[in-house]
Amino acid sequence: DAKTTQPPSMDCAEGRAANLPCNHSTISGNEYVYWYRQIHSQGPQYIIHGLKNNETNEMASLIITEDRKSSTLILPHATLRDTAVYYCIVRPLSSGSARQLTFGSGTQLTVLP
Amino acid sequence: DGGITQSPKYLFRKEGQNVTLSCEQNLNHDAMYWYRQDPGQGLRLIYYSQIVNDFQKGDIAEGYSVSREKKESFPLTVTSAQKNPTAFYLCASSIGTGRYEQYFGPGTRLTVT
Repeated sequence: DAKTTQPPSMDCAEGRAANLPCNHSTISGNEYVYWYRQIHSQGPQYIIHGLKNNETNEMASLIITEDRKSSTLILPHATLRDTAVYYCIVRPLSSGSARQLTFGSGTQLTVLP
Repeated sequence: DGGITQSPKYLFRKEGQNVTLSCEQNLNHDAMYWYRQDPGQGLRLIYYSQIVNDFQKGDIAEGYSVSREKKESFPLTVTSAQKNPTAFYLCASSIGTGRYEQYFGPGTRLTVT
């Protein structure tokens, strides 16, 4: 699977947009970009995923660059409850194995009041 | 409410005892997974199951055992052979393996002394 690189930590003011970057320069054509987050001492939560088009759901937006080598997760109006570790993961389009869901070290987002 | 439940949230055991962690889902998902998370680390896959009565070893299966007798249930037994069992254990499920997002339970924190 393609390796991802994320900044270890970021701060964001409450009510502002949080933009979390992820580099995945070795991504291949059949790999999706997934984002999860994990609030302290809880299970990870799926946020969004995409292949090459920008995606939006009730939680966030995902912007993938045209060359697919990087992406940005956008939380449009961050709240204190969005404080969590955010993980960017790439995984193949189809796979018979569960092994590919691998969480790296992620970005610790702290939303400040 | 649809979701994944894990019980108990905290579990304490003496060294040398086997312990079984519960995981139940009512999402009608075919695939279920067990992960282990150590402090400040990502998730590591222990076992996964794609269908009832079938399961496969993950990256760190030694000292663990599972069963999948019902679609809804995927219990994990931490045996006395597991050398370092103290950890945060997470159960997840997905519609199928491969591209589909995984939904996680709240986790069980196991402490063995």
